[in-house]
Amino acid sequence: GAGVSQSPSNKVTEKGKDVELRCDPISGHTALYWYRQSLGQGLEFLIYFQGNSAPDKSGLPSDRFSAERTGGSVSTLTIQRTQQEDSAVYLCASSLPELAGGQETQYFGPGTRLLVL
Amino acid sequence: GQQVMQIPQYQHVQEGEDFTTYCNSSTTLSNIQWYKQRPGGHPVFLIQLVKSGEVKKQKRLTFQFGEAKKNSSLHITATQTTDVGTYFCAGPTSGTYKYIFGTGTRLKFLA
Repeated sequence: GAGVSQSPSNKVTEKGKDVELRCDPISGHTALYWYRQSLGQGLEFLIYFQGNSAPDKSGLPSDRFSAERTGGSVSTLTIQRTQQEDSAVYLCASSLPELAGGQETQYFGPGTRLLVL
Repeated sequence: GQQVMQIPQYQHVQEGEDFTTYCNSSTTLSNIQWYKQRPGGHPVFLIQLVKSGEVKKQKRLTFQFGEAKKNSSLHITATQTTDVGTYFCAGPTSGTYKYIFGTGTRLKFLA
């Protein structure tokens, strides 16, 4: 596609439910990132994929959070047993680190706004 | 772990005044990126600096990378209402493509 897309755009769920957030990166981009942004705050790194593997999962807040990427393309971030503190905007970004000149521009999707009641 | 701090957190200006945000990393960076996030929007890439002491300009925006490659600044001359938003710097952790984002500086205009 022309840009990074994310779905759903908004998600309201009840505490304790599981949610799945989807990211479709720009076609051909090998790197994919998940970030979390609470209201008025900065971007908190969650996880990064290079192809289908995740060299760095250090940002995942707890074992309730997991992510996978299949076919080097679509990624899913899953939050199990959601808590109210999980409420935030979840942003996905993709990049092509091998681009000549080494400009590792990250292209962000519009985000999924998650509200846990 | 690596930290990237930005100051100030907020800056309120009159239209036409200048704006500057400063970014400081606890470790030396191979490069630094700047992003702009409009209210309600997502971050959009502005520029990447790689060389020590590098200065780049984009119209009214001037970006600098410190000699020690641990700090950077973004200066906007004669701000316009279209400049409103939060400006983030981001730097990679050593040897990886994992970027740590700064805390951001929000540019707002006085009524």
